[in-house]
Amino acid sequence: NAGVTQTPKFQVLKTGQSMTLQCAQDMNHNSMYWYRQDPGMGLRLIYYSASEGTTDKGEVPNGYNVSRLNKREFSLRLESAAPSQTSVYFCASSEPRQSYGYTFGSGTRLTVV
Amino acid sequence: GIQVEQSPPDLILQEGANSTLRCNFSDSVNNLQWFHQNPWGQLINLFYIPSGTKQNGRLSATTVATERYSLLYISSSQTTDSGVYFCAVRSGGSNYKLTFGKGTLLTVNP
Repeated sequence: NAGVTQTPKFQVLKTGQSMTLQCAQDMNHNSMYWYRQDPGMGLRLIYYSASEGTTDKGEVPNGYNVSRLNKREFSLRLESAAPSQTSVYFCASSEPRQSYGYTFGSGTRLTVV
Repeated sequence: GIQVEQSPPDLILQEGANSTLRCNFSDSVNNLQWFHQNPWGQLINLFYIPSGTKQNGRLSATTVATERYSLLYISSSQTTDSGVYFCAVRSGGSNYKLTFGKGTLLTVNP
C-alpha cells in the first residue's frame, strides 16, 4: 500500500547514545517532515525538507539533525540522546502542488533512559 | 506564528450521539486538515478542507475561512470513533509548516 513507512516502531536508548530514525514515502511527494508528539503538546515540527536537497529547521530542532537522502527518504538523527527527547516521532510527506494534505507514518516511540 | 485552538478539550458521549468539534485559528490559512489519532497512535487524515464543506459517511467538516474557524461533525457516534481529533493548519506566511492544535479527546461509551 502507498504511504509513509517509519522504522523502527519502538526504541529504548541510554542517555548519550545516538540513533537514526528512518522514513520513506512512495507517493512521489516533494516535501517531507519530522514531528514529535508529547502529552498535552500536540505535534511540533522538528525539521522539514521542502524538496530534495533542502532542509530547514522547524519549531524544536535542537538536539536533532536530518538528511534528505533522496526524494523518497528523510532520516532524523539524534547524536547524543537525552531524556527530554523521549517522545513519539512522526514522519509525514506532502505534495504542495496537490490539494490533499499531509500523510503521516505510524510513528516511532522512543524512550531515553 | 499562527495559533490554533480546539474545543472542547475532552468529550464523552454515549454510542449513537452526535457531536461537534471546533477549531479556531488566528490567521488566514491555505491548508486545514482534520486528523483522527486512534488509541494505537496512528494519525489518520480525515479531511483536507481549507474552505467549504465535505462529507465522508458519518463525518463531515465545514471551514469558514473568512471567520477563521472549522467544525468537525460526528453523527451516530460509535466506540471506534474514540481517540484524539486534531485540527492542523498552514498559513500563507509559512509555506510548509503545518501547525497543530492540542486536540479533542473523544471517548464514546457503549
